[in-house]
Amino acid sequence: NAGVTQTPKFQVLKTGQSMTLQCAQDMNHNSMYWYRQDPGMGLRLIYYSASEGTTDKGEVPNGYNVSRLNKREFSLRLESAAPSQTSVYFCASGSWLSNEQFFGPGTRLTVL
Amino acid sequence: AQSVTQLDSQVPVFEEAPVELRCNYSSSVSVYLFWYVQYPNQGLQLLLKYLSGSTLVKGINGFEAEFKKSETSFHLTKPSAHMSDAAEYFCAVSLGAISGGYQKVTFGTGTKLQVIP
Repeated sequence: NAGVTQTPKFQVLKTGQSMTLQCAQDMNHNSMYWYRQDPGMGLRLIYYSASEGTTDKGEVPNGYNVSRLNKREFSLRLESAAPSQTSVYFCASGSWLSNEQFFGPGTRLTVL
Repeated sequence: AQSVTQLDSQVPVFEEAPVELRCNYSSSVSVYLFWYVQYPNQGLQLLLKYLSGSTLVKGINGFEAEFKKSETSFHLTKPSAHMSDAAEYFCAVSLGAISGGYQKVTFGTGTKLQVIP
């Protein structure tokens, strides 16, 4: 079991460029999440997917889009990157049985 | 609405000294409580959780936490700190998984534990 995997691990973008962060889980979880982590602010929810075929906005969705491609995969897209999107992005999947979320290793994104 | 407060952004302790990381929460209904640990350049992993039952919860690496409803607290403790405990610790609160499995989790801002040799 790989758990939750994310690609890429690091990325540097110029303002206005676009990119997609990939996330996959092999634990057969229904729910998946994208968070961003900024110093002193903890983790903030960007988007979530309660189940395959559904997505909803979280706390800070502006500037992002998501796709729940299938039960395993949940991608996050930045259409036109801005310096304010410099952050560490974490994908997680959730088990309603154990009420626990499992996190990927993160993507460190810098927007110049 | 639920919220979590971790007042200490950094806590320094000497090696082998006891550790206490504080967490207070706010919610008008019953909650589930979690502590996650994040080692440098890694994702978060679950240390322990309180869902129901015994209010003293034991986790991995010798950590434990006590749920005190009257004080709305869930402080994390360990009798003796090791160098390997140096990490950032996040307290989190959830109302539990609702229909469809979506679980809204609110995280605190984190406490960095510094272990001094």
